[in-house]
Amino acid sequence: AQKITQTQPGMFVQEKEAVTLDCTYDTSDQSYGLFWYKQPSSGEMIFLIYQGSYDEQNATEGRYSLNFQKARKSANLVISASQLGDSAMYFCAMREGIGGSQGNLIFGKGTKLSVKP
Amino acid sequence: NAGVMQNPRHLVRRRGQEARLRCSPMKGHSHVYWYRQLPEEGLKFMVYLQKENIIDESGMPKERFSAEFPKEGPSILRIQQVVRGDSAAYFCASSHSKGQLNTEAFFGQGTRLTVV
Repeated sequence: AQKITQTQPGMFVQEKEAVTLDCTYDTSDQSYGLFWYKQPSSGEMIFLIYQGSYDEQNATEGRYSLNFQKARKSANLVISASQLGDSAMYFCAMREGIGGSQGNLIFGKGTKLSVKP
Repeated sequence: NAGVMQNPRHLVRRRGQEARLRCSPMKGHSHVYWYRQLPEEGLKFMVYLQKENIIDESGMPKERFSAEFPKEGPSILRIQQVVRGDSAAYFCASSHSKGQLNTEAFFGQGTRLTVV
């Protein structure tokens, strides 16, 4: 079973509108961390936002926010006021806690976001 | 403060040759992770190293692949006798401590290996 599932291979959004990228995860750990990364066409991995499993509030970083629904095991990324420069691949990732991870991240397959002018 | 530096950015090798990928972590970081990204896929963990120690190599193929992180110098991912299926982007990430849950892993720009 996949640990991280991103069900949207591709998404389109109109410039200046908001968009939600879906991510569900599977873990038996009580402690874990969830990350979102952006990968533009140039290839680098850019950290966007982090949510800890014990964080009571949804994480926010500028135009990025994380809609964390623990019971549903979902950690959707919301980008508000989309910009053309937001066009990229977006990866959801998880770091498990006691469950054995040495700190490595487990990635989903990604969602390709295209922002239309 | 330089970020994670990987070189080369692009590497072309013929089948059967060796590929050496280098990663210099961020200053002050002693933990290095290597990931592989196949086309249209997310990153897959390969190996986790600290200085002079391999901590977790559960994601490394059993043959032809090796990694090191010497006391001095960059971390090296070595692929012997490359095959076409090794063509991928290889990313290195570093952190200043063992990956606590909220420890951000800083990624390099990756090395794109093409085997012809």
